[in-house]
Amino acid sequence: AQSVTQPDIHITVSEGASLELRCNYSYGATPYLFWYVQSPGQGLQLLLKYFSGDTLVQGIKGFEAEFKRSQSSFNLRKPSVHWSDAAEYFCAVFSGTYKYIFGTGTRLKVLA
Amino acid sequence: NAGVTQTPKFRILKIGQSMTLQCTQDMNHNYMYWYRQDPGMGLKLIYYSVGAGITDKGEVPNGYNVSRSTTEDFPLRLELAAPSQTSVYFCASSSHTSTDTQYFGPGTRLTVL
Repeated sequence: AQSVTQPDIHITVSEGASLELRCNYSYGATPYLFWYVQSPGQGLQLLLKYFSGDTLVQGIKGFEAEFKRSQSSFNLRKPSVHWSDAAEYFCAVFSGTYKYIFGTGTRLKVLA
Repeated sequence: NAGVTQTPKFRILKIGQSMTLQCTQDMNHNYMYWYRQDPGMGLKLIYYSVGAGITDKGEVPNGYNVSRSTTEDFPLRLELAAPSQTSVYFCASSSHTSTDTQYFGPGTRLTVL
C-alpha cells in the first residue's frame, strides 16, 4: 500500500543550527513528492516538490530536499534555521487519481 | 489576492445538527479539495472536484456531501454531525492538473459535542 512516514513527531533545534526532517515513502512507480509547511492557525503552504530530474530540489525560504530512490526517502534540509521556521512540516506523495497521501507531520521547535 | 477563503473559522455543533462549510477560490482553479486534519494525523481527503458539476469521493467521505455549481465555490455539507467529525477542515485548490501546487485555505475548526 502507498504510504508516507515521517518518523519524527517533534524536533527541537537551536536558531542557526542545521535541520533535517525525514520522510520515507512507499510507492510503486516514480513518485511525485512534496513538502508543505503549516504555521500555527494557518493552512498548508508548499515548500518544494519533486517530479523528475535533479534529485536535489530547491524550495522557498531556503529549504531543499533530496530524493533518494534507493532509500525511498525525500528528506528536507535547511543549513541554518530561523526562529520563524517553527511550524509543522508535512511530506506528501501524489498517489494518482487526484489523491495525495500525507505524512503525520513533524513539529519543529526553534530555540533562541 | 484572497486565494482560498473558508468560513467559518470556528464552529461548535451539537450531535445531529447540520452545517455547511464554505470554500471559495478566486484563482479560477479547476481542481478543488476538502481535507480533514485530526491531531497527530496527516490530512485525509474527503471529497474532490475536477471542475464545476463534477465531484468524487476521497478517502473518508462518509457523513459528508459536496456540490460544485461554480468554478469558485466548493461547499462541504455535514448532515448529521457526530463527535467523530470533530476536526480541522481544509479546502484547497489547484490549477490544471492534480500535481500542480495546491493552495490551502486557513481552515475551519469544528467541534461536535
